Amino acid sequence: DQQVKQNSPSLSVQEGRISILNCDYTNSMFDYFLWYKKYPAEGPTFLISISSIKDKNEDGRFTVFLNKSAKHLSLHIVPSQPGDSAVYFCAASARTDKLIFGTGTRLQVFP
Amino acid sequence: DAMVIQNPRYQVTQFGKPVTLSCSQTLNHNVMYWYQQKSSQAPKLLFHYYDKDFNNEADTPDNFQSRRPNTSFCFLDIRSPGLGDAAMYLCATRERNQPQHFGDGTRLSIL
Repeated sequence: DQQVKQNSPSLSVQEGRISILNCDYTNSMFDYFLWYKKYPAEGPTFLISISSIKDKNEDGRFTVFLNKSAKHLSLHIVPSQPGDSAVYFCAASARTDKLIFGTGTRLQVFP
Repeated sequence: DAMVIQNPRYQVTQFGKPVTLSCSQTLNHNVMYWYQQKSSQAPKLLFHYYDKDFNNEADTPDNFQSRRPNTSFCFLDIRSPGLGDAAMYLCATRERNQPQHFGDGTRLSIL
């Protein structure tokens, strides 16, 4: 039973435009959500997080939105750059040391 | 300057031949994790240590063991690897209330 779902395996966006990556979850006990970025042959790198007490968190070009009623979060990248091309993983935790990951979305930003 | 170091980056072993993967950290984090990631799948938690306290996931096969002799090092032992154990193995560390930091992984191949 997949508790964290990223239904889009891939996304292609033109440089300078907005990239929107989506994530859905099923466990209402999740209270902390993270996005990780992964380049080929490297481990995942933490990007941005959000607590369930907030609905938005922003860090430079990256903004994460949380809709608790819909059990949905999204990552917005504006403007998208070619260096943003990577696999993005959504992850969630429920007041524990453990993270549950989604299957990832491969973002390609083309010139 | 790598903070979570996994060795080797690529490991080839024979079917049924024991293999050990290693992870070291310079962060002095008290929590360490081992994940298994197969192609196009989410990273799957195998077990984690909170200091010396070992926490095994219920669905982690008995074939997989772990050791943490000190804060800096953690090992993953696969006693009798099968073809289904071919995967990327990721080590991560975390300090309380902080995101997990990942190593670059060890890709394990089984002949």
